[in-house]
Amino acid sequence: GNSVTQMEGPVTLSEEAFLTINCTYTATGYPSLFWYVQYPGEGLQLLLKATKADDKGSNKGFEATYRKETTSFHLEKGSVQVSDSAVYFCALNPRETSGSRLTFGEGTQLTVNP
Amino acid sequence: EAGVAQSPRYKIIEKRQSVAFWCNPISGHATLYWYQQILGQGPKLLIQFQNNGVVDDSQLPKDRFSAERLKGVDSTLKIQPAKLEDSAVYLCASSLRHSGNTIYFGEGSWLTVV
Repeated sequence: GNSVTQMEGPVTLSEEAFLTINCTYTATGYPSLFWYVQYPGEGLQLLLKATKADDKGSNKGFEATYRKETTSFHLEKGSVQVSDSAVYFCALNPRETSGSRLTFGEGTQLTVNP
Repeated sequence: EAGVAQSPRYKIIEKRQSVAFWCNPISGHATLYWYQQILGQGPKLLIQFQNNGVVDDSQLPKDRFSAERLKGVDSTLKIQPAKLEDSAVYLCASSLRHSGNTIYFGEGSWLTVV
């Protein structure tokens, strides 16, 4: 079956530090990959996505590259801000199913201190 | 463009009581999803609709949960009777019909069962 594994949290960083949140997946075929972010008390927001191997998704200074050879989609940001404090979810959407359907990782809590 | 609308935002009920959540998807989105997100975990799909038909309800606890989307637009998720372990955020989401399309989430309905 399909599954997503994220690095365990919580992650605590100082402002302007470099961020990496690891994500690996198991899926048949070539899924689309996503990072969603959930701010306190809010729903999920799409942060970035990649639909094929070697694609790089980017948004708000965050980046992730679809690596088929390592089945990974690690999230990175060069300089985090306090406002980036949130829970980050990696997810995949298999292509074989009709319509779209997401399988999520367990989430990684990020706290950025000033 | 209006996003996915959900209500109520918060609900506290006693165990064995019933509760209903409502969702209005983004206009034109044929596919509607209900996810359950237990605190500290990633969202898990409960049910997926394509227009007014059920595509996947394999993870819906059918002895207590039910969902409908009678006119192919808005949807209702019901829990009866509720158990303590049903305490979670219930996320509604929608997408266009075709595989690979981005899924957009509402802000969620937060349920506490006491």
